[in-house]
Amino acid sequence: AQKVTQAQTEISVVEKEDVTLDCVYETRDTTYYLFWYKQPPSGELVFLIRRNSFDEQNEISGRYSWNFQKSTSSFNFTITASQVVDSAVYFCAITAPSNDYKLSFGAGTTVTVRA
Amino acid sequence: SAVISQKPSRDICQRGTSLTIQCQVDSQVTMMFWYRQQPGQSLTLIATANQGSEATYESGFVIDKFPISRPNLTFSTLTVSNMSPEDSSIYLCSVEGRGTEAFFGQGTRLTVV
Repeated sequence: AQKVTQAQTEISVVEKEDVTLDCVYETRDTTYYLFWYKQPPSGELVFLIRRNSFDEQNEISGRYSWNFQKSTSSFNFTITASQVVDSAVYFCAITAPSNDYKLSFGAGTTVTVRA
Repeated sequence: SAVISQKPSRDICQRGTSLTIQCQVDSQVTMMFWYRQQPGQSLTLIATANQGSEATYESGFVIDKFPISRPNLTFSTLTVSNMSPEDSSIYLCSVEGRGTEAFFGQGTRLTVV
């Protein structure tokens, strides 16, 4: 079984500040996949990134960056120069072939960016 | 990639009634998943729906309350039966991408009054 912990319930920042969202995962699988999703107030889930367990390279996509560290079982997400449109709930999730690719989600972190 | 159409997008229902949510995928997929998101909560898997077999339910969810159909490789329905206000949630269908992006429908926002 897999588990994801997002210890931060809510984060509030002023526009242009950076914000880092923590994600700690637990799994006994050697092959697994980590995800970040964004859920704006409209409710749909927006895919942001996927990482497999064999790829520890950090990734940057525009203002978003991700830091995957297997040594600490963490997959943290940073929004640089935050904007009001970044206000949403962000979910970290994990899946594995051993679990038929069912997604296990963290509790989510609500990010509020104030103008 | 997969495009998932889910409907209805939202509904307000009377307690004691049932609602069937439809999920249509634009490609054939082996497994489809149904999730529930209660207000202010994370997503919880209800069941896995495979074509040609009965759905597999997660702990805490039963077929009588959440019957699922999977008549073919592109379509599934979830019924929320005998609804109560506690069933007010967002319900989402998903298809697995074998570890790639897991695709989600737009969600059905259900309010039970």
